[in-house]
Amino acid sequence: GAVVSQHPSWVICKSGTSVKIECRSLDFQATTMFWYRQFPKQSLMLMATSNEGSKATYEQGVEKDKFLINHASLTLSTLTVTSAHPEDSSFYICSARDRQTGGRTDTQYFGPGTRLTVL
Amino acid sequence: QKEVEQDPGPLSVPEGAIVSLNCTYSNSAFQYFMWYRQYSRKGPELLMYTYSSGNKEDGRFTAQVDKSSKYISLFIRDSQPSDSATYLCAMNQPGGKLIFGQGTELSVKP
Repeated sequence: GAVVSQHPSWVICKSGTSVKIECRSLDFQATTMFWYRQFPKQSLMLMATSNEGSKATYEQGVEKDKFLINHASLTLSTLTVTSAHPEDSSFYICSARDRQTGGRTDTQYFGPGTRLTVL
Repeated sequence: QKEVEQDPGPLSVPEGAIVSLNCTYSNSAFQYFMWYRQYSRKGPELLMYTYSSGNKEDGRFTAQVDKSSKYISLFIRDSQPSDSATYLCAMNQPGGKLIFGQGTELSVKP
């Protein structure tokens, strides 16, 4: 299967600072990437959809000024958590879409996740 | 009613058992069906992918999709302790968002 990497895997930061998380599709080009948040023992919660070369689409209730998303190339999307606070502590996971328009393929490959702890 | 329903478990089985994991859904427009395995503190790993109805087999894993009943299943044969993880079903319409089940926590005891 396709490989998606995420960096860093774990980050601790002070309250009020910003943190950038990178998501890369290593062996395929992804015009669409997704950012999810996951709380312990819960399923994934979609935060935003990131399309290469255009603005991200945020889900209801997700602050776009708080969670900045950039998808500058077909293999890289970044999520920046600005002015982080302890309530932003969570497990953030990205995915890259592998899709053939009108075809039999439309799935997502996930990165390993980034654990963010805000002190 | 949620679009996708999955028994959250937890499910505990002895090593070597056959495991059956199931999801039901309500949206008949779903065409792509996936099973992901997620280990603790890791991202989901795509296990099985099925387009439309039918069965698909990969080693010890078999995925089934019954679109008439809006029901999908994942069977694990000869289960191993390394299969202990949370299993997530997921599905989407063409070009649509991935809709997940709640996940089933599986424990395979040696």
